[in-house]
Amino acid sequence: KQEVTQIPAALSVPEGENLVLNCSFTDSAIYNLQWFRQDPGKGLTSLLLIQSSQREQTSGRLNASLDKSSGRSTLYIAASQPGDSATYLCALADIKAAGNKLTFGGGTRVLVKP
Amino acid sequence: DGGITQSPKYLFRKEGQNVTLSCEQNLNHDAMYWYRQDPGQGLRLIYYSQIVNDFQKGDIAEGYSVSREKKESFPLTVTSAQKNPTAFYLCASSRPPGYGYTFGSGTRLTVV
Repeated sequence: KQEVTQIPAALSVPEGENLVLNCSFTDSAIYNLQWFRQDPGKGLTSLLLIQSSQREQTSGRLNASLDKSSGRSTLYIAASQPGDSATYLCALADIKAAGNKLTFGGGTRVLVKP
Repeated sequence: DGGITQSPKYLFRKEGQNVTLSCEQNLNHDAMYWYRQDPGQGLRLIYYSQIVNDFQKGDIAEGYSVSREKKESFPLTVTSAQKNPTAFYLCASSRPPGYGYTFGSGTRLTVV
């Protein structure tokens, strides 16, 4: 059974510092990995999707890497801003299994201090 | 704009009452999902549907029911058999594997 872990559970950084968020998983098989952002009381906003055959994706200040051999993904957010404060979730989808279901990590709650 | 619409945003349920949460998407996605989010427990899959008129139980289906009569709609009913229904419910959809998920804005259900 796939298990997804995000450490640390919470992170506080001063504005301008780069953020490094970690996601580890137990079964690398044939998975897509998706990073989401969730603001308090809101739904999930997709940030980046890394398909199984890819190693990284970039969008603006965000960069996500995927290392299947070590069972890890890292989300980098450059030059953090107070507006980056949110909970960040990683999730893996087994694209070969019926339903393409997502398995989520517990999330990392980020606070960027002005 | 394409997206997923969940309604209502807030819902209150009395003991012994069934309530239905609405989820509509205009993304032309085949698959739809319902997740439940509780503090400290992350997101857990309730039900999912890959095509119209077909759906499968997820990890925590007891006390819930769904229907998929139209591609665009996937309503979730929380029945009186669900003993602890207070939670944040999220609906999602996806294209065929490899294209990622899109989530709605959620419904917060509270038992009063």
